[in-house]
Amino acid sequence: DAEITQSPRHKITETGRQVTLACHQTWNHNNMFWYRQDLGHGLRLIHYSYGVQDTNKGEVSDGYSVSRSNTEDLPLTLESAASSQTSVYFCASSEKLEGPDTQYFGPGTRLTVL
Amino acid sequence: GQNIDQPTEMTATEGAIVQINCTYQTSGFNGLFWYQQHAGEAPTFLSYNVLDGLEEKGRFSSFLSRSKGYSYLLLKELQMKDSASYLCAVTDSNYQLIWGAGTKLIIKP
Repeated sequence: DAEITQSPRHKITETGRQVTLACHQTWNHNNMFWYRQDLGHGLRLIHYSYGVQDTNKGEVSDGYSVSRSNTEDLPLTLESAASSQTSVYFCASSEKLEGPDTQYFGPGTRLTVL
Repeated sequence: GQNIDQPTEMTATEGAIVQINCTYQTSGFNGLFWYQQHAGEAPTFLSYNVLDGLEEKGRFSSFLSRSKGYSYLLLKELQMKDSASYLCAVTDSNYQLIWGAGTKLIIKP
């Protein structure tokens, strides 16, 4: 069965360190998204990609970067982790090139920055 | 600005009916999604509305009024497993999803 996976599921790091969160999907979807979820807030879009070599900034992109070298993967890098980046991170994917489409979510990564 | 409003928390009784409301103000509208999220898990798709009216899917129904910027999710014959957060999300003019903070639904026996 097709799926979307994230690793690690839990991560504790220190302020200033670089951290990379992995996202891998086997749906063969064109579109991939990274969100963060914090108490009292809706899901907030960090970065997204509509295909290989395409990346775009979302609402809360400062301090984060992504790259899309193949269809299956969209790793999220925190350049220099800050305590404000403690959050739960979700990766999602969707198929359509145009128009609204259902997004399928990975299980999430809980990141703690000390 | 763009804004999605939902109640923070609701409580209902097993076997009863509950209605979760969502109001929105966004730059453009290309449909509204409802997702379910159990604690510690990923959001999962429940429904999508783009035209006014009621969409029924088993015990769950979703209603949309575009003129009022309003939607609701109706859950019938509540079961304990329906205890979860329910997320409302609107697709704006750029086809970006704008998410509400979610409504935590607590089901009591």
